[in-house]
Amino acid sequence: SQTIHQWPATLVQPVGSPLSLECTVEGTSNPNLYWYRQAAGRGLQLLFYSVGIGQISSEVPQNLSASRPQDRQFILSSKKLLLSDSGFYLCAWRETGGSYEQYFGPGTRLTVT
Amino acid sequence: GQSLEQPSEVTAVEGAIVQINCTYQTSGFYGLSWYQQHDGGAPTFLSYNALDGLEETGRFSSFLSRSDSYGYLLLQELQMKDSASYFCAVEEEGYQKVTFGTGTKLQVIP
Repeated sequence: SQTIHQWPATLVQPVGSPLSLECTVEGTSNPNLYWYRQAAGRGLQLLFYSVGIGQISSEVPQNLSASRPQDRQFILSSKKLLLSDSGFYLCAWRETGGSYEQYFGPGTRLTVT
Repeated sequence: GQSLEQPSEVTAVEGAIVQINCTYQTSGFYGLSWYQQHDGGAPTFLSYNALDGLEETGRFSSFLSRSDSYGYLLLQELQMKDSASYFCAVEEEGYQKVTFGTGTKLQVIP
C-alpha cells in the first residue's frame, strides 16, 4: 500500500532563517507531487506541483522553492523565512494517468517567530 | 487564473441535510473534487465529478454543472462527526494542477 511521510511535524523558526521540509512517498512510482500551505482557518494555497523528477511548476514564487531530486521525494525550501510563511504545510501525491484522488501527508505546522 | 468560491460557514442540525455550494472560474476545466478536513488534520478525499450530474457515495453526494461552472456537496443524515471543513478543488485539464477553494466550515449542532 502507498504511504506518504512528512517531517518534521512541527517547527518553530526565527525570521530570516532557512527552511527545508521533506516529503516522501512509498509504494508508487512516478507520482504527481504537490505542496500546499494553509494559514490558520483558511483554505489550501497551491505552492508547487511536480509531474516528474526535476520538473517543478511554481504557483507562488515569492521566497519559497521546491525540488524533486528523486522520483518519490519532494522538498520545500526557503533561504530566509518571513513571518507570513507561518502555516500548515501539506504535501500530497496523486497517481499519473487520470487518477483524480489526492492523498495528503500529515502536514508540518510551521511557526515563524 | 483560477478562482473557487464557497460559503465560509454553514450550521446544520444533526440528522438534517446540508448543501455546500462551489462556483469556479478556470481554464481547461477537467473535474471537481471534494475533500473533508477535520481541525488539525489533513484533507481526505470524498468525491469527484468530471461529467454533469449527481454522484452518490453513501450519505454524501456531489453534483456538477459544467455549463454553470457550479457544483455542490450534499450531506444527508448529518452526524456530529461531520463537523469539519469541506473544500472543493478543480483540476485543470492536461496540467495535473489541482487548486482548492477557500473551504466551508460546517458545524453540526444537536
